[in-house]
Amino acid sequence: DTEVTQTPKHLVMGMTNKKSLKCEQHMGHRAMYWYKQKAKKPPELMFVYSYEKLSINESVPSRFSPECPNSSLLNLHLHALQPEDSALYLCASSQGTSASQETQYFGPGTRLLVL
Amino acid sequence: AQSVTQLDSQVPVFEEAPVELRCNYSSSVSVYLFWYVQYPNQGLQLLLKYLSGSTLVKGINGFEAEFNKSQTSFHLRKPSVHISDTAEYFCAVSGVSGNTGKLIFGQGTTLQVKP
Repeated sequence: DTEVTQTPKHLVMGMTNKKSLKCEQHMGHRAMYWYKQKAKKPPELMFVYSYEKLSINESVPSRFSPECPNSSLLNLHLHALQPEDSALYLCASSQGTSASQETQYFGPGTRLLVL
Repeated sequence: AQSVTQLDSQVPVFEEAPVELRCNYSSSVSVYLFWYVQYPNQGLQLLLKYLSGSTLVKGINGFEAEFNKSQTSFHLRKPSVHISDTAEYFCAVSGVSGNTGKLIFGQGTTLQVKP
């Protein structure tokens, strides 16, 4: 089973709202990722968690706040977003982040619209 | 550091014809290589990967790719495409050593299969 699930599938929020995206995997993977994808573009890495610790933050604005409550769950808390933050947000997981544990498996994404 | 170039932004092809999607990479270290497919309004699905061993890699849905180290290429092929193969295809690379879990994506190739 190589399934990563994400909720919600769609989200519409105003610029003053606070919302959260959720990602879950039950493959025993110890690395989890958040990506942002704009239309017709490749995914852009936002954050990497390795063994529940934040290992990479790609200079993402503080209005995006990741959280990894346990090895199966990854959240992305959203606050005071801008319309340009509208995008598809993808979660991925891999066994680890070292050489032979590479393969990332992606969830279906949450399509976010900020009004 | 690594980079990926997908040489064609769009590839139109008729159903049942063969197709090749081209991918070249640049890296100062050994790499792992991946092809992902993204169907409309969905997340990314792993098609195939090259980690080591045989340079001809077979994936899902009848796709295969060949790793060519001398030409730094990892082209994706299918001998006979179906309408359902219409999607966005991303080539991605990660470095074998000093890896942090970062995948570097190409800009994507849109495969349009016509009846």
